[in-house]
Amino acid sequence: DAKTTQPPSMDCAEGRAANLPCNHSTISGNEYVYWYRQIHSQGPQYIIHGLKNNETNEMASLIITEDRKSSTLILPHATLRDTAVYYCIVRSNSGNTPLVFGKGTRLSVIA
Amino acid sequence: DTAVSQTPKYLVTQMGNDKSIKCEQNLGHDTMYWYKQDSKKFLKIMFSYNNKELIINETVPNRFSPKSPDKAHLNLHINSLELGDSAVYFCASSGTFGGAETQYFGPGTRLLVL
Repeated sequence: DAKTTQPPSMDCAEGRAANLPCNHSTISGNEYVYWYRQIHSQGPQYIIHGLKNNETNEMASLIITEDRKSSTLILPHATLRDTAVYYCIVRSNSGNTPLVFGKGTRLSVIA
Repeated sequence: DTAVSQTPKYLVTQMGNDKSIKCEQNLGHDTMYWYKQDSKKFLKIMFSYNNKELIINETVPNRFSPKSPDKAHLNLHINSLELGDSAVYFCASSGTFGGAETQYFGPGTRLLVL
């Protein structure tokens, strides 16, 4: 079972920041927080991951609370192409561990 | 260049047939996976292979048999196809990125069993 809780859906206006929350209150000390997204009919796409520090890359920013029990994925300027299901996954960094997907958040970016 | 590729993209077949789906990755990764996404859109792990050896088999029926001829390929053979096998099957491979293992997915194979 997925160890994360996400809202089932969210809307965001095009050009605005999309903030997607995730609760992972049972996360262990050696588990990372990963975010993937699945655009309609495509394979899941890696976005970002973090352990305890905030992270930023060309796609998004990841804010992890100090107690690591929740995190927020931020898409700074959402576009229509960002419409997708976003999955927050916690996972050990030990090798060969598959991803356990929950239901994710369906983000709709509206023009 | 496609990092993880799957063939075919679409597969329509009759119940009882045997079919195969092929997966290839050119990322040099040692670990590959098969995931199944059902009609309710739940993505679930089926198999995991590391360097051609089976690591994980998540209670998948024996009709499903993965085969890894080399570490760049992980094919999925399905015997005696059933209606419930209709789903999208995703292949993935994983490697270390930024200090953590990251998975890269193929485009999926849409299987419809009639």
